This record gives sequence, structure tokens and C-alpha cells, in this order.
Amino acid sequence: SQQGEEDPQALSIQEGENATMNCSYKTSINNLQWYRQNSGRGLVHLILIRSNEREKHSGRLRVTLDTSKKSSSLLITASRAADTASYFCATDERAGNNRLAFGKGNQVVVIP
Amino acid sequence: DVKVTQSSRYLVKRTGEKVFLECVQDMDHENMFWYRQDPGLGLRLIYFSYDVKMKEKGDIPEGYSVSREKKERFSLILESASTSQTSMYLCASSSYTGLAGYTFGSGTRLTVV
Repeated sequence: SQQGEEDPQALSIQEGENATMNCSYKTSINNLQWYRQNSGRGLVHLILIRSNEREKHSGRLRVTLDTSKKSSSLLITASRAADTASYFCATDERAGNNRLAFGKGNQVVVIP
Repeated sequence: DVKVTQSSRYLVKRTGEKVFLECVQDMDHENMFWYRQDPGLGLRLIYFSYDVKMKEKGDIPEGYSVSREKKERFSLILESASTSQTSMYLCASSSYTGLAGYTFGSGTRLTVV
């Protein structure tokens, strides 16, 4: 079932700026993951944060998780034109046996 | 470089045809998944499999079936293609724990005319 919902749906920023996206979900989770999709291609796994973690970093990516609010945020610092893509959050539900529920995605355009 | 390979990038089929979408992974992953992606609807899970010869229905299994005879291969079958099945189909695989995330194929854009 779909439960991750990204906000905002579309974001347009200048190169060098930071991009922040939020994701909300409804049920208890084992972990939450973020993926990137370049136009017309498959998704690429970016980062996973477990339910007992509050913040995680990977390169220019920073993810936070607030299980009390059932929400997560993805921050991309110092954005580049190559970051232009759709970004999806996905939740691994407690009873889900590693099946992920994806949100509808968040289109980010980085203007050079 | 680890990979999930989908047999076709673009496919055009006629209404009523039986369609096979093939997916092969080289990572010895236990779990494999088929999603379809449509504008405004995001990714929806069609079927998944935890092991050879095992399959589980996802959220939208109607009109589809799957086959997993070998660990590395997961096939999606459209028994009688309809125009409503025009979509992007994405195959993915993951390890048993799933903690490294999913690895996706490049997708098959299927058009049913």
C-alpha cells in the first residue's frame, strides 16, 4: 500500500542552494529509504535510516526521521544541475516483510 | 557492478496479446519485486517473491501473473494485455534483510495499442 507522501511535490532551485523535501507516512516502520530517479530511468537507492535513528548523513545528503510525527526530511546541500531528478521516499513497514511502500515522488529541478 | 537487467527498454504490444517482461539480477538476492509507475500515482507493487517458486500478491495484481523458476530471474506476465496496462514497469531486487535498499532495473516502457 502507498503511504509515503512527499512534500513539496515540485521544487525549483538555483545551483548551489540547498534542497529540502519532506515525507510523511502513516504506519509503524522498520526503516525509511530515499531514492532518486532520473527521467525515464530506474530508481537509485540513496540512503536508509532505521526507525531507531534520528539523523543520517551520506556525502551531501542529510536525512532526518521523526517517528513521533511519522515524518522524514531529505536535505541535499550545495545542489548541482546533476541533482535534477525525482526523489521518492519509501517505507519498510513493520509487518511488511521488506516490501516497500513508495510515495508519489518529488520533482527537483536545479537551475545552473 | 551489480545489476538488475530488464529485457526490453521499450515494448509495443497489441490488445489481447500475452506479454512477458523478464528481469534478471546478478546479486544473489532473495527478494524480487515488480512495480508499475504511472504519472500521479507513483510506484505500485504488482507482485513480489522471497524465494524461488514463491510469489506474493502486491497491491494491484489483477491482470498479471509472475514466475520465479530460478533465483536470479523474475518474470512478469500480462495474460491478455489491455490498454490500461500501458505503463512503465520496474523490476527490483533486494537482499533478505533489505538493509542495502532495492536495486532497480532501468524499466520497461510498455505501450498496449
